[in-house]
Amino acid sequence: GEDVEQSLFLSVREGDSSVINCTYTDSSSTYLYWYKQEPGAGLQLLTYIFSNMDMKQDQRLTVLLNKKDKHLSLRIADTQTGDSAIYFCAAHGNQFYFGTGTSLTVIP
Amino acid sequence: DVKVTQSSRYLVKRTGEKVFLECVQDMDHENMFWYRQDPGLGLRLIYFSYDVKMKEKGDIPEGYSVSREKKERFSLILESASTNQTSMYLCASGSGVVRQYFGPGTRLTVT
Repeated sequence: GEDVEQSLFLSVREGDSSVINCTYTDSSSTYLYWYKQEPGAGLQLLTYIFSNMDMKQDQRLTVLLNKKDKHLSLRIADTQTGDSAIYFCAAHGNQFYFGTGTSLTVIP
Repeated sequence: DVKVTQSSRYLVKRTGEKVFLECVQDMDHENMFWYRQDPGLGLRLIYFSYDVKMKEKGDIPEGYSVSREKKERFSLILESASTNQTSMYLCASGSGVVRQYFGPGTRLTVT
């Protein structure tokens, strides 16, 4: 199966930008996703990007895709304490593969 | 608003017991999934189903089985629970490949 990797932890100060990185191995992945999981809850889709795009912006969120390097990133501008959560990267080729999740802590 | 519900938020079972985890979705989705979530391992796919009475193994099906008798309901069965099946279990549903909608999860403890 595909490997989707993320760093486990990230801390940022409130108001700064957060950048969460992800790498994947299957170059045939057609959709790439970012999910957010708040404590005690299931996963909520934040955004997704089709593999023929290299950038997608949605309000404070910017997704960058480097297909050559199989690298996906999620930038959160003006990070707020409510953004503290676990963020999962996922890729879909023939099935969904999820990363380990990055726990984002926002320091007031 | 899509709703995916799971029968229990927390469950404690004994080793060797048969365990049923139920998932229900209200959006007429064809696809339903069962994952387990463990710290440092992310989500791992156990089983999925593309239609009623159809099932496909995911990455870690050993020790689990599933049932999909109705389109809206997908059940995960642990035939004989073991302590290494202590985990958070997440159900998801979707139509096509664009997105999955997740339930709140069931935290299962096997003692």
